[in-house]
Amino acid sequence: GDSVTQMEGPVTLSEEAFLTINCTYTATGYPSLFWYVQYPGEGLQLLLKATKADDKGSNKGFEATYRKETTSFHLEKGSVQVSDSAVYFCALSGALLGRRALTFGSGTRLQVQP
Amino acid sequence: DADVTQTPRNRITKTGKRIMLECSQTKGHDRMYWYRQDPGLGLRLIYYSFDVKDINKGEISDGYSVSRQAQAKFSLSLESAIPNQTALYFCATSEGGRSYEQYFGPGTRLTVT
Repeated sequence: GDSVTQMEGPVTLSEEAFLTINCTYTATGYPSLFWYVQYPGEGLQLLLKATKADDKGSNKGFEATYRKETTSFHLEKGSVQVSDSAVYFCALSGALLGRRALTFGSGTRLQVQP
Repeated sequence: DADVTQTPRNRITKTGKRIMLECSQTKGHDRMYWYRQDPGLGLRLIYYSFDVKDINKGEISDGYSVSRQAQAKFSLSLESAIPNQTALYFCATSEGGRSYEQYFGPGTRLTVT
């Protein structure tokens, strides 16, 4: 079945550091890929998405490229801020329920220190 | 006002009690979902509904039931709560068709003692 694997956290960075959070997936066919962010005490919010191979999703300085050859969708940001501290979830819309539901990774907590 | 609301936000209950978690949305979406979040496990799908007359089990539906009272309302019930149902519960909505983006409520933290 479909699955998403994320790097374990927490990831601790200093402000203005470069961020990479790795995400790889297993799925049949051509899933859509997502990054969701969960700020403390809140629900998940869509951060960015990509619906086909080689697409690059971007939002708020974050980017991720859909790499079918490596089945990856790594999240990157060139210069993190304290306000980026949150839990980040990689997800895919694949075979589960005929692409009508999302399969989530376990989440990666990011802590940015001033 | 939030598009997806959940009540209560926090609940402590005892083993064996029946409890209902409620979700309301103003986005006008047909599709609604219930997930639970456990540390280190991400989110897992409990139930989903694609319209008022459509209710389906997700990955981990045992011990749960749902009711879709209206397009805007989707409730999750634990008929007889047990401690391993202690978790963070999220409601989500999405449009129909080929849109897979989901919109989440703020979550309900449930503790079963």
